[in-house]
Amino acid sequence: AAGVIQSPRHLIKEKRETATLKCYPIPRHDTVYWYQQGPGQDPQFLISFYEKMQSDKGSIPDRFSAQQFSDYHSELNMSSLELGDSALYFCASSPRAGGNYGYTFGSGTRLTVV
Amino acid sequence: AQSVTQLGSHVSVSEGALVLLRCNYSSSVPPYLFWYVQYPNQGLQLLLKYTTGATLVKGINGFEAEFKKSETSFHLTKPSAHMSDAAEYFCAVSDPFSGGYNKLIFGAGTRLAVHP
Repeated sequence: AAGVIQSPRHLIKEKRETATLKCYPIPRHDTVYWYQQGPGQDPQFLISFYEKMQSDKGSIPDRFSAQQFSDYHSELNMSSLELGDSALYFCASSPRAGGNYGYTFGSGTRLTVV
Repeated sequence: AQSVTQLGSHVSVSEGALVLLRCNYSSSVPPYLFWYVQYPNQGLQLLLKYTTGATLVKGINGFEAEFKKSETSFHLTKPSAHMSDAAEYFCAVSDPFSGGYNKLIFGAGTRLAVHP
């Protein structure tokens, strides 16, 4: 079965650079969520999209932005990278009623800022 | 606001012993409840979930959890631990009344170690 695809799997960037993370949801899933998991921490919700509109916002820095495109894939854009942005970034997708049908996570993008 | 408390950041059991990972939530209404497992350097895999219906939920790899509304708990159990169960386990909740776009709120996680 198709899963949530995230690219790239690993990314190394220098401070103050920009990074773009991509997420391709499961077909017919119209809701995408982004999470950040720092070393030894639990995943923290960043932002979500439903039908290409932002549906919820969590602890996402102003330096980050995201959008969902017409094919439902989503991109997380991160600018002016800081060392503290080093983390595992997960994307999850779900049908609109995410709680009832469940969420499927991608394998994540590991971002290292040096 | 929803919150999740996992009691015990580290749990160690012997192979073949009972696994019990505790999760309590705080919510005025019963949320949807999930357990995820994360192996080193890997993504989050759904073990099981509770939305409605039977309060004892069976998941993959022999795990099960019971929703107890009176105790606001959703503890994860497995009768007999295997070495391959060593991983990080996250309890998570979502609010079914948050407008349908309900994000997951995670607990801090419990690292399960299984020793011979």
